[in-house]
Amino acid sequence: DGGITQSPKYLFRKEGQNVTLSCEQNLNHDAMYWYRQDPGQGLRLIYYSQIVNDFQKGDIAEGYSVSREKKESFPLTVTSAQKNPTAFYLCASSTLQQGSYEQYFGPGTRLTVT
Amino acid sequence: DAKTTQPTSMDCAEGRAANLPCNHSTISGNEYVYWYRQIHSQGPQYIIHGLKNNETNEMASLIITEDRKSSTLILPHATLRDTAVYYCIVRGMDSSYKLIFGSGTRLLVRP
Repeated sequence: DGGITQSPKYLFRKEGQNVTLSCEQNLNHDAMYWYRQDPGQGLRLIYYSQIVNDFQKGDIAEGYSVSREKKESFPLTVTSAQKNPTAFYLCASSTLQQGSYEQYFGPGTRLTVT
Repeated sequence: DAKTTQPTSMDCAEGRAANLPCNHSTISGNEYVYWYRQIHSQGPQYIIHGLKNNETNEMASLIITEDRKSSTLILPHATLRDTAVYYCIVRGMDSSYKLIFGSGTRLLVRP
C-alpha cells in the first residue's frame, strides 16, 4: 500500500530528553512537512523539505531539528530546548507538480513529555 | 496567504446534504481554495480544491462565488463517518507550498 507511516503512535518521554519521530513515505513525493497540533487548534508548520539534503524552517521551528538524507524519510527531533513539546505531531508529503499540491498526511504521533 | 473565516460548529442529519461555508474576502487572483478534514486523532485528509470554477469529485462539491470571496463545501449525503473538523484553506503557489490551518468547522452528523 502506498502512503505515509509515522511511528510510534504514542510516545512518552521525560523532560530534558531529546526524542526523534519517524516519518516515511513511499509515494515518491518530493516534498515533506512536519506540523504540530495542540488540542482544539489547527496545524502549525514546523519544518518542510522540497528536496533531499535541503529543508526550511516553518512558523514554529525553535526547539526542533530535521534531516532529509533520503527522499522517502524525514525524521523530526524534538529537543530539550522545546519548551512545550507535548502535542500531536503530523507528517505530510506532496508532489511539486504544477497544480497538484495537495498534501497527504500520516496518522500522527502523540508525544507526551512529563 | 489569505485568511479564512468558518463557523465554529455545525450539525446536520444523516442522509441530508451538509453545506459548510467559508469566507475568504481577501483572496487574490492566483490563490486556490482547498478543503481538508480531520477525523478525531487522525491526520487531515484532502477533500477537494478549486480556483474559480465549481468542482466535484467522489467526496464532495466545491462551490466558489463569482467574486471568489466565499465558497461552500457540499457533502451531498452526509453519513456518521463524515463527523470531523473541516478546514478551508486559501493558498497561493509560492515556493513554500505550505498550508495554513485555521480552527476549522466541527461538523456533527446526527443519526
